[in-house]
Amino acid sequence: DAGVIQSPRHEVTEMGQEVTLRCKLISGHNSLFWYRQTMMRGLELLIYFNNNVPIDDSGMPEDRFSAKMPNASFSTLKIQPSEPRDSAVYFCASRPLRGQGSGYTFGSGTRLTVV
Amino acid sequence: GNSVTQMEGPVTLSEEAFLTINCTYTATGYPSLFWYVQYPGEGLQLLLKATKADDKGSNKGFEATYRKETTSFHLEKGSVQVSDSAVYFCALAGSGGGADGLTFGKGTHLIIQP
Repeated sequence: DAGVIQSPRHEVTEMGQEVTLRCKLISGHNSLFWYRQTMMRGLELLIYFNNNVPIDDSGMPEDRFSAKMPNASFSTLKIQPSEPRDSAVYFCASRPLRGQGSGYTFGSGTRLTVV
Repeated sequence: GNSVTQMEGPVTLSEEAFLTINCTYTATGYPSLFWYVQYPGEGLQLLLKATKADDKGSNKGFEATYRKETTSFHLEKGSVQVSDSAVYFCALAGSGGGADGLTFGKGTHLIIQP
């Protein structure tokens, strides 16, 4: 299995532009999590899905952020319009829905820089 | 709510030294506990886990024991190598088995000098 695949690895964009981050889950995993990592706040859970359904988006910082899971293997995180304070590394992670204590598998992340 | 506290870094050690990274947690019920490692420019990788009290997780020479009485899950290694240099995260999954997300500590940057 290729693992959790994120694209792009790096994104540099100007303030006000729309940014779309992509994530492909591991086959057979049906829970998907988006995290943001910054030096100041560490790892923050933004949103998660079970079986393509958004369960908790309370971590999404503002209405500028939205996430979708159009099918069982793919998810997008969109920021529109982007701002410099959105600069961070964004990770997605997947796991099987069942399984007490199952670890999460993380992608390599997308490093976003908004200038 | 759930929370994880781990020692601040960076932690700098010489090769072959003994390592301890402290981690304590606050949670209701019976959480599962994890240590993840992040190498530069990469995502987080699961290092070890323990799902119930007194369990010991181990991998690549690292160990951690789930201590419910002290709400701790300290990471140890007897002899570190330069290749162990990375950021280490302690994490907790709630009683729901982690279906609602992991709660992470802030991370401890470990630097091993030759």
